[in-house]
Amino acid sequence: GNSVTQMEGPVTLSEEAFLTINCTYTATGYPSLFWYVQYPGEGLQLLLKATKADDKGSNKGFEATYRKETTSFHLEKGSVQVSDSAVYFCALKRLDSSYKLIFGSGTRLLVRP
Amino acid sequence: EAGVAQSPRYKIIEKRQSVAFWCNPISGHATLYWYQQILGQGPKLLIQFQNNGVVDDSQLPKDRFSAERLKGVDSTLKIQPAKLEDSAVYLCASSSTSRRYEQYFGPGTRLTVT
Repeated sequence: GNSVTQMEGPVTLSEEAFLTINCTYTATGYPSLFWYVQYPGEGLQLLLKATKADDKGSNKGFEATYRKETTSFHLEKGSVQVSDSAVYFCALKRLDSSYKLIFGSGTRLLVRP
Repeated sequence: EAGVAQSPRYKIIEKRQSVAFWCNPISGHATLYWYQQILGQGPKLLIQFQNNGVVDDSQLPKDRFSAERLKGVDSTLKIQPAKLEDSAVYLCASSSTSRRYEQYFGPGTRLTVT
């Protein structure tokens, strides 16, 4: 079946540190991949996406590359800020008419000044 | 444009009671989703509507959960009777027909069943 596995958190970093949050997936075919972010007290927001192998999604300094050979979609940022503290969810979209999103369990990021 | 609206934001009930959540999607979005997010887990789709019709309700516990989307706009999700394991955040999301991969989420309703 389709599933998404994320590294467990919390991930605690100092401001300006490099961030990597690992995400791997299991799916039939080639799904689209997403990163969503959930700031405290708010709903999930789409951060970035990639729809085919080798695509790189990017937004707000975050990047993730769709790696078919390793079935991965790791999230990276070169220099994190305190305002990046949030929960990050990796997700895939099923390749059928429902466009159903399947989410990982989320990784909490804490950035300290 | 206005985002997805949900109410109430918080609800505390006792087990075996009933509860209802309301969602107003982004104007013009034909697709509406209800997700359940248990603490420490990612959201899980309960039901998906395309206009008035149900597209996917395979993970909806139909013996106690029901949902409707009258007139293809607002939607309500009901639980009757509630169980302790229903404690979760219930998220509503919507998307347009042309960009269904991009779902916009509301702030959620946090339900606590005691």
